[in-house]
Amino acid sequence: GESVGLHLPTLSVQEGDNSIINCAYSNSASDYFIWYKQESGKGPQFIIDIRSNMDKRQGQRVTVLLNKTVKHLSLQIAATQPGDSAVYFCAENRGDNYGQNFVFGPGTRLSVLP
Amino acid sequence: DAGVTQSPTHLIKTRGQQVTLRCSPKSGHDTVSWYQQALGQGPQFIFQYYEEEERQRGNFPDRFSGHQFPNYSSELNVNALLLGDSALYLCASSFPHRGGELFFGEGSRLTVL
Repeated sequence: GESVGLHLPTLSVQEGDNSIINCAYSNSASDYFIWYKQESGKGPQFIIDIRSNMDKRQGQRVTVLLNKTVKHLSLQIAATQPGDSAVYFCAENRGDNYGQNFVFGPGTRLSVLP
Repeated sequence: DAGVTQSPTHLIKTRGQQVTLRCSPKSGHDTVSWYQQALGQGPQFIFQYYEEEERQRGNFPDRFSGHQFPNYSSELNVNALLLGDSALYLCASSFPHRGGELFFGEGSRLTVL
């Protein structure tokens, strides 16, 4: 069935390097995507979002890229810091005009090495 | 500006019991969604409430029910608890008609023995 998934379950990067977390989705009708960061014992924290009429969006140290042709989403974190260590989820809205229904992938654990 | 608040933070129940979880949305938000997150997995959508009505529902049995109040707060009820219902229950709020960003609370950790 259709799902939102991540290519890599774990990612280790050196402090100061850039991180790239990938996500594949299969519902071509999805028009809104969100990236979340979840630290142990806490709820998911909103990082950045993007709508299907865009292919790139930038925030503070983060960039989200959307490639609708291959149904691929990525999160880039610049100058990765120890505080960035967490599990990252992409979420895809499969709702309609009546309401939202976000489908989450299994997540990627990012570990920042000193 | 208060974010999404949930209560209780932790609770323990036994099989067959019933549980009610509560959520207050972020200020300015009128829509509440509930998610179940099993250990080591991503959140799974249960349902979404807007204008006191269930607007979207995920693949969860009727044992899971909800309610939204006029002040936009919400409750999640689970009847006839099973061991497999043990999870982190997350509430999220949004204002779909202006952006739609979904913001989460810290969750209620339910353990069923």
